[in-house]
Amino acid sequence: QLQLQESGPGLVKPSETLSLTCTVSGGSISSNSYYWGWIRQPPGKGLEWIGNIYYSGSTYYTPSLKSRVTISVDTSKNQFSLKLTSVTAADTAIYYCARELTGDDGGYFNYWGPGTLVTVSS
Amino acid sequence: DIQMTQSPSTLSASVGDRVTITCRANQSISSWLAWYQQKPGEAPKLLIYKASSLESGVPSRFSGSGSGTEFTLTISCLQPDDFATYYCQQYNTFQGLTFGGGTKVEIK
Repeated sequence: QLQLQESGPGLVKPSETLSLTCTVSGGSISSNSYYWGWIRQPPGKGLEWIGNIYYSGSTYYTPSLKSRVTISVDTSKNQFSLKLTSVTAADTAIYYCARELTGDDGGYFNYWGPGTLVTVSS
Repeated sequence: DIQMTQSPSTLSASVGDRVTITCRANQSISSWLAWYQQKPGEAPKLLIYKASSLESGVPSRFSGSGSGTEFTLTISCLQPDDFATYYCQQYNTFQGLTFGGGTKVEIK
């Protein structure tokens, strides 16, 4: 059974960089059938797609965050990571990692991590 | 950007009711639409993909329909476990995935 697990600091200071890692178990991150994505959800609000990465390293980011986001992959560790720079209180959210199907019918998420709350505060 | 609008934002219903949630896109997305269920404190769970395909393991009381710009999620006979928030998500282009604002289904 595939499992994803987010990890990283739960508290980040304003203007600093948010860094999270998603560890994938029960399956290989190097499959050509999937992208690996990050989605966030401010407390009590809706879902926002941040971006995704293929095992080869190719990435796509949402336009509103593109200047601040970097997603990377480490296939040797079966992990992918998120960095978000210059954070503000508006970046406070639950951050989810998820598996996204590729291919002609792909683009939706069929496995999610449990999520991790990141609070931006001094 | 493709914008997704869900209605209603909140829906009050009773066990056994038939419930319909609507999701509209501001441009055609063909059938590239998914529906998720999210319960408090949990990650979203995939229910429907490609507008009407039921994800494995999801009860058959859930169904999806629509194409182009208007889509619906129907729960044919609401069960206690179905009280949750539901989100649509378009994937017309994987370069810009977007979610609807959510519909909370609450107990009447």
